[in-house]
Amino acid sequence: GAVVSQHPSWVICKSGTSVKIECRSLDFQATTMFWYRQFPKQSLMLMATSNEGSKATYEQGVEKDKFLINHASLTLSTLTVTSAHPEDSSFYICSAAPYYGYTFGSGTRLTVV
Amino acid sequence: SQQGEEDPQALSIQEGENATMNCSYKTSINNLQWYRQNSGRGLVHLILIRSNEREKHSGRLRVTLDTSKKSSSLLITASRAADTASYFCATDSNTGNQFYFGTGTSLTVIP
Repeated sequence: GAVVSQHPSWVICKSGTSVKIECRSLDFQATTMFWYRQFPKQSLMLMATSNEGSKATYEQGVEKDKFLINHASLTLSTLTVTSAHPEDSSFYICSAAPYYGYTFGSGTRLTVV
Repeated sequence: SQQGEEDPQALSIQEGENATMNCSYKTSINNLQWYRQNSGRGLVHLILIRSNEREKHSGRLRVTLDTSKKSSSLLITASRAADTASYFCATDSNTGNQFYFGTGTSLTVIP
């Protein structure tokens, strides 16, 4: 149990386009989901906390207009990287409560060219 | 920032040796967890230690926690080449569900 599915696992997009990443809890309801970003050879940094039916809470320094988070249902949260630039290239990973500490998605590697 | 710090940043050992990684954090916690990440892959949960625990074992893993020093260590005994990965500690704050990750230790086990 407590499986989180993240899609896509990797994506390449052109600079200026937008990319949507999905995070689904498969066998439990996730009232809260968390989005992390990891640059090469660095640690995971919490970007935002997403609560079902309400606005996401962003960590300091994360642009809310650039990283749009939608948590419209108890099993799905999406992260949209808008107007992507090469510096947005990173590994994005989600995790879901109530199993937050245990259950991470497999991650999405975004490359912006 | 609540992010923890780990040392060493990189560790290279021979197969069969023990590997010790340390993690320090800044705020009070409920739990501390250790994760492993193979290159370019997602996280694998290794072990959780609660704030009222001092030591925990799981197979070849031993984790200690010293809340007075706000530090934890992960010991991997009898290392194997397959243990080559990055290891992160993650702490939760006692005010919320967020997890904050340490800077990570890159472990290389040489066959």
